[in-house]
Amino acid sequence: AQTVTQSQPEMSVQEAETVTLSCTYDTSENNYYLFWYKQPPSRQMILVIRQEAYKQQNATENRFSVNFQKAAKSFSLKISDSQLGDTAMYFCAFLLWGGYQKVTFGTGTKLQVIP
Amino acid sequence: DAGVIQSPRHEVTEMGQEVTLRCKPISGHNSLFWYRQTMMRGLELLIYFNNNVPIDDSGMPEDRFSAKMPNASFSTLKIQPSEPRDSAVYFCASRPRDATNEKLFFGSGTQLSVL
Repeated sequence: AQTVTQSQPEMSVQEAETVTLSCTYDTSENNYYLFWYKQPPSRQMILVIRQEAYKQQNATENRFSVNFQKAAKSFSLKISDSQLGDTAMYFCAFLLWGGYQKVTFGTGTKLQVIP
Repeated sequence: DAGVIQSPRHEVTEMGQEVTLRCKPISGHNSLFWYRQTMMRGLELLIYFNNNVPIDDSGMPEDRFSAKMPNASFSTLKIQPSEPRDSAVYFCASRPRDATNEKLFFGSGTQLSVL
């Protein structure tokens, strides 16, 4: 079974600064997807970024980028130029490729952006 | 499209009562997931369906929990009898048939409080 670990329950960052959220996972499979979801206080779940395991290039979406280290099974999220609207819970998630698979989430990291 | 619709948004009940949570997935999506969110355990997958058939219910905590999907447009999660430790936010999510789109679409969740 796949597991996802987020070892930072809470983090804070000054507005305009950069912050990195950590995520590690465990799997014996080779083909899969990794995601970061954002959950603001509204409870809405928003997909921030995703990475296909077969791609060596790290995914980027505007101020959000990942550092994907497949051998180390690490998938960290970097938020540049942090904004107050980035304050939210962030979840790392894993999905096996192929067929109808389930999405496994980590326990989340609560990020507070300080003005 | 209205997105994934969950009801009720909030539910307050007394210990021992039956609770039924409802979900309408996005039309055309053929995978449906029930998650439970708590501070301690993050997002836990309870059960998921493909084409209305339960595929994996290993996350269902105990026999007090049951889930059904009688058709492609409706699912329920029932807790009977409810206990205070069931208090959490319950999310329903769906995913489309298109294998190239792995994003999960979440409902707004049901905040359950068992007194």
